[in-house]
Amino acid sequence: DQQVKQNSPSLSVQEGRISILNCDYTNSMFDYFLWYKKYPAEGPTFLISISSIKDKNEDGRFTVFLNKSAKHLSLHIVPSQPGDSAVYFCAASGGAGGSNYKLTFGKGTLLTVNP
Amino acid sequence: DTAVSQTPKYLVTQMGNDKSIKCEQNLGHDTMYWYKQDSKKFLKIMFSYNNKELIINETVPNRFSPKSPDKAHLNLHINSLELGDSAVYFCASSSTGTPNYGYTFGSGTRLTVV
Repeated sequence: DQQVKQNSPSLSVQEGRISILNCDYTNSMFDYFLWYKKYPAEGPTFLISISSIKDKNEDGRFTVFLNKSAKHLSLHIVPSQPGDSAVYFCAASGGAGGSNYKLTFGKGTLLTVNP
Repeated sequence: DTAVSQTPKYLVTQMGNDKSIKCEQNLGHDTMYWYKQDSKKFLKIMFSYNNKELIINETVPNRFSPKSPDKAHLNLHINSLELGDSAVYFCASSSTGTPNYGYTFGSGTRLTVV
């Protein structure tokens, strides 16, 4: 039962262009959504989050958009840089029964930014 | 000055053995977690502890026993290791009431059972 889905296992973009990573979820009780970045042999690193009461959050080159009616969020990276090449995980938290004490992750999307 | 540190980084052991993974955080967080990343790359919650109290045990076999001696430590002991336990185990921590700040993860322990 995958409550958070990242349907694209990989994405390749040119340096300087926009990277758009997508995520869908099924649990309408989620109230926070987060993006993590992971390099090989390292732990995931928190990138940006958004509350379910907002539809956009921006931090430098990173913007997350949330469409609650579609249960969809996306991460935009502009401009993309080679150092952005990593696996990006979408995650969600919230709901009942201790769900604030866990993150549910998607399977990740490998982003490759080509010079 | 590692925020969340886990040891060892690599662990190779035989089936049936018992092993432990240690985790420590110096961020002053009150909640700690163990996550497992399996061969399919899913990151799944195993346990979460808040102020040393078990909050979530996500249907993990009872061969896995977490221990939190204080808020800064959450260790994972695994008995009678099986081949299917091979995975990368991540420790993480966070502060209650700040879900928008995310978790801080350790660098992972790659466990290989042979």
